[in-house]
Amino acid sequence: DQQVKQNSPSLSVQEGRISILNCDYTNSMFDYFLWYKKYPAEGPTFLISISSIKDKNEDGRFTVFLNKSAKHLSLHIVPSQPGDSAVYFCAASDRDDKIIFGKGTRLHILP
Amino acid sequence: GAGVSQSPSNKVTEKGKDVELRCDPISGHTALYWYRQSLGQGLEFLIYFQGNSAPDKSGLPSDRFSAERTGGSVSTLTIQRTQQEDSAVYLCASSLGWDTQYFGPGTRLTVL
Repeated sequence: DQQVKQNSPSLSVQEGRISILNCDYTNSMFDYFLWYKKYPAEGPTFLISISSIKDKNEDGRFTVFLNKSAKHLSLHIVPSQPGDSAVYFCAASDRDDKIIFGKGTRLHILP
Repeated sequence: GAGVSQSPSNKVTEKGKDVELRCDPISGHTALYWYRQSLGQGLEFLIYFQGNSAPDKSGLPSDRFSAERTGGSVSTLTIQRTQQEDSAVYLCASSLGWDTQYFGPGTRLTVL
């Protein structure tokens, strides 16, 4: 049973436009959420996180939104740049246990 | 300081052989995780070590898989009698408790 779901395996966005990556979770005990970015042949790198006490966290071009009632979070990248092309993993934790990752969404930024 | 390192970076083995993959976490990190990423798949959790607690082995796909963490630092993932479906990139990550995980570059395992 997948507790963290990224239903879009891939997404293509024009350079300069907004990229929106979505993630749904099923475990209401999750209270900390993270996004990781992964380039080919490299390990994932931490991008941005959000605690359940907040509904938005912003870091430069990256903003994560959390909708607890819908058990949904999203990552917005604006403006999208060619270097943003990568696989993005959503992850969630209840702080007492391991972090659970989604299957990832491959983002293609088109020139 | 140094990040998480893994060795070897690539491993090619024959079906039925045993392999050992090594992970050196960031010094001081109490938590260590092993994941694998098969072609076209996401990150599959394998095993989790936290301090001196018993490891969470719930993600290990079969009893051919085992892992140790010696002295609360270096970890070794062992796959016995490898099968072709074991071919994947094996990723190690470490963290301070439940906080942000830092990943190593991974070991690409190919079972012929």
